[in-house]
Amino acid sequence: GAGVSQSPSNKVTEKGKDVELRCDPISGHTALYWYRQRLGQGLEFLIYFQGNSAPDKSGLPSDRFSAERTGESVSTLTIQRTQQEDSAVYLCASSLMSSFEQYFGPGTRLTVT
Amino acid sequence: QKEVEQNSGPLSVPEGAIASLNCTYSDRVSQSFFWYRQYSGKSPELIMSIYSNGDKEDGRFTAQLNKASQYVSLLIRDSQPSDSATYLCAVRGFGNEKLTFGTGTRLTIIP
Repeated sequence: GAGVSQSPSNKVTEKGKDVELRCDPISGHTALYWYRQRLGQGLEFLIYFQGNSAPDKSGLPSDRFSAERTGESVSTLTIQRTQQEDSAVYLCASSLMSSFEQYFGPGTRLTVT
Repeated sequence: QKEVEQNSGPLSVPEGAIASLNCTYSDRVSQSFFWYRQYSGKSPELIMSIYSNGDKEDGRFTAQLNKASQYVSLLIRDSQPSDSATYLCAVRGFGNEKLTFGTGTRLTIIP
């Protein structure tokens, strides 16, 4: 079946602009996660959605970052007033709650100039 | 102390040998353990999951879990150059719905 998809694959934006990143999870996966990975670094947890429960936003680095998810489908991660330090690959993953095995999308490479 | 620790490497192993990757974790009641492979410029790919003490084999890969020692490892038999990647260990704590990832071990298989 189809895996996790993300769009765009690459995004170049000017400092101060807003960007919106999209994630389409595997069908039937109720849990969805966003991570950030800076060049040469590990995965940094940002936010977690599980069904209709309130999201776990504990990893969002500042109030410029927000995310939404419609039911158990698509999620969007929005970064307002982008800064150069926001440059990274943003990864989305989804999982079944029965296994907690997370499957990752290909990521969105964000470059802030 | 980091919650999930891995030796960053690089770990160099000759082609055909066994590569051994190690991971320790701090939460004694962790429930689920995962190994991911990440090629340069790509996203992490799930290789193995293990939930109970002992060994779990899948092809050339064997995951080993020792909860008493808070230790999980991944063995890759008959290493191939295509196994060259960064390997991430991930752990789920008790009652936790999120995974905590280690920073990864970079593995290089030398032809």
